[in-house]
Amino acid sequence: EPEVTQTPSHQVTQMGQEVILRCVPISNHLYFYWYRQILGQKVEFLVSFYNNEISEKSEIFDDQFSVERPDGSNFTLKIRSTKLEDSAMYFCASSEDQLDYNEQFFGPGTRLTVL
Amino acid sequence: AQKVTQAQTEISVVEKEDVTLDCVYETRDTTYYLFWYKQPPSGELVFLIRRNSFDEQNEISGRYSWNFQKSTSSFNFTITASQVVDSAVYFCALTNNAGNMLTFGGGTRLMVKP
Repeated sequence: EPEVTQTPSHQVTQMGQEVILRCVPISNHLYFYWYRQILGQKVEFLVSFYNNEISEKSEIFDDQFSVERPDGSNFTLKIRSTKLEDSAMYFCASSEDQLDYNEQFFGPGTRLTVL
Repeated sequence: AQKVTQAQTEISVVEKEDVTLDCVYETRDTTYYLFWYKQPPSGELVFLIRRNSFDEQNEISGRYSWNFQKSTSSFNFTITASQVVDSAVYFCALTNNAGNMLTFGGGTRLMVKP
């Protein structure tokens, strides 16, 4: 069964460093998403991406965040200068389309720890 | 703005008990989708069910059942004869017809004791 994969599973970084979280969505999916979950809290939407453009973003997704689909398979989230409060689990998701069948399939997550 | 409220932050039951997890939502959209996800201790998000706003039929899948009531903006989830493996955090979520973002509730931590 196809699945969304994410690497690394755990990333530890120093405050102020740049990190790139990587995701490989399901191959025929066209819509891609990033969510984050601070430990013990709810899952929060960051950004959605379609046709090489951001289609929606939340207030959390400020200028220090960016997303990219550098090739036909990867979807990345870059955090330019990490802060302590960026420590969270980051989930990538993808969906086939956004209408009738808009189930978002989630990856296993990357746990980001900022020291 | 959309909002999902799961008033029960934590529920503890003994194995074989039935348990209902509550979900209340707010949206101005006339077309929307509701979801339940399970997050076991390993941390991944496991899709359980999707329901669109035009389909108010209740659904049963094995020990799981869902009660969608548009009149009260609720989408409750019942586990019958709970098992220890059901122990997890359960999230209710809502998306609009554009489908480009999920709004999650705060989650309900279910602990099933043997």
